[in-house]
This record gives sequence, C-alpha cells and structure tokens, in this order.
Amino acid sequence: GENVEQHPSTLSVQEGDSAVIKCTYSDSASNYFPWYKQELGKRPQLIIDIRSNVGEKKDQRIAVTLNKTAKHFSLHITETQPEDSAVYFCAAGNAGNMLTFGGGTRLMVKP
Amino acid sequence: KAGVTQTPRYLIKTRGQQVTLSCSPISGHRSVSWYQQTPGQGLQFLFEYFSETQRNKGNFPGRFSGRQFSNSRSEMNVSTLELGDSALYLCASRQGLTDTQYFGPGTRLTVL
Repeated sequence: GENVEQHPSTLSVQEGDSAVIKCTYSDSASNYFPWYKQELGKRPQLIIDIRSNVGEKKDQRIAVTLNKTAKHFSLHITETQPEDSAVYFCAAGNAGNMLTFGGGTRLMVKP
Repeated sequence: KAGVTQTPRYLIKTRGQQVTLSCSPISGHRSVSWYQQTPGQGLQFLFEYFSETQRNKGNFPGRFSGRQFSNSRSEMNVSTLELGDSALYLCASRQGLTDTQYFGPGTRLTVL
C-alpha cells in the first residue's frame, strides 16, 4: 500500500520568513496530493491540493510543488504569520484507494 | 451547505464496553471515510464507504466496524473497548472518489 513520509515533524520560523514542508510517497499510482491544516482543537481543513497532471499550484502565500519522478511534493508558505501556526498534514491517494496521510508537521511562527 | 457533522462530540466509556459514533456527510456526498487521530500516530485510516459499500479498510482489528446507510450517513462501532482506543475519531466526506475530502469536527473518545 501507499506510504507517506513527512518532514520535518516540527518547524519553528520567525514571522515573515518562509516555511517548507516536504513529503515523499511510495505508490506511483497516486495522483492526488492534498494538504490540510489543523489548528489546536479543530478539524483538519484543506488548504491546497494538486493533481499529478500539474507540477505546481499557488494560492496567495501558499504553493505546492510536485515531482512525480522523485515521488515527492512540498508545501511552501511565504511571509509566515502567527496565524499560520498549526499542524500541517500532507496526503497521497488516487480514486481507487483511500488517502494516506503523512505524520504531520507542527509549524510554530514566532512573532 | 452544512458541513460534515459528527455525534456525539465527546464520549467517556470504560474498558470492555462498546460504542457507536455517527457521521452525517455534506449533502450530496456519497463517500465517508473514518480516521483515528492520536498524538503519537497521526491520522490513521480506518475505512471508507461509498454508496453503502465498504471500499477500503485500514489496518485495524475486527473490533472496529462501520456501515453506511442509503442517505450516506455512516456509523462506526468499536466493540470491547481498550484503553488504547482513546482518540479523536474523525470522519470525512467527499462527493465522488476523486473529489476533495472534507472533515467533520470529530468525536473525542476516552476509555477509562
């Protein structure tokens, strides 16, 4: 089955700096890669996703890149703000199988 | 549209008891997935139902079971509860199997 590894497990940045979270996956059949943000005590919320027919997608301060050959994808957050502090999860899957999640990254943005 | 809802939000049980959790998906969504979230293990997939059929199952013992009704609402049952079953149980729904998945608020289960 699919295996998703996520790094780092914790990330501390200064407000205004950029943050990068990386994930690798094992199943070459995976073609959908969402990212979720989970604030303390709340449900995971989708922040951005990418499908395997594109290499990069951007939404304001957030971008995701995908390298299918290397089987890895990354989340980039620019100009970080304190409200970006949360746990971020990557996931990989396709229509035939369930989403497999990475272990999560706790991002702390220091003001 | 109303979001994914789960009931109850909090539950306290003792070892050996059984529990049933409920999930109502977003209107029009036919797929419901269940996850167990614990601090050390992240989001672990339990099972997914689509149009009342279980499509995928994670690596959990047979004490964990589920079902989906014709209105797409889903229930998850855990029998013979163990202390290690204490966790946040999240359900998520999506319209079709290639669509975005949206999470409910979760049910926090504590087993004493």
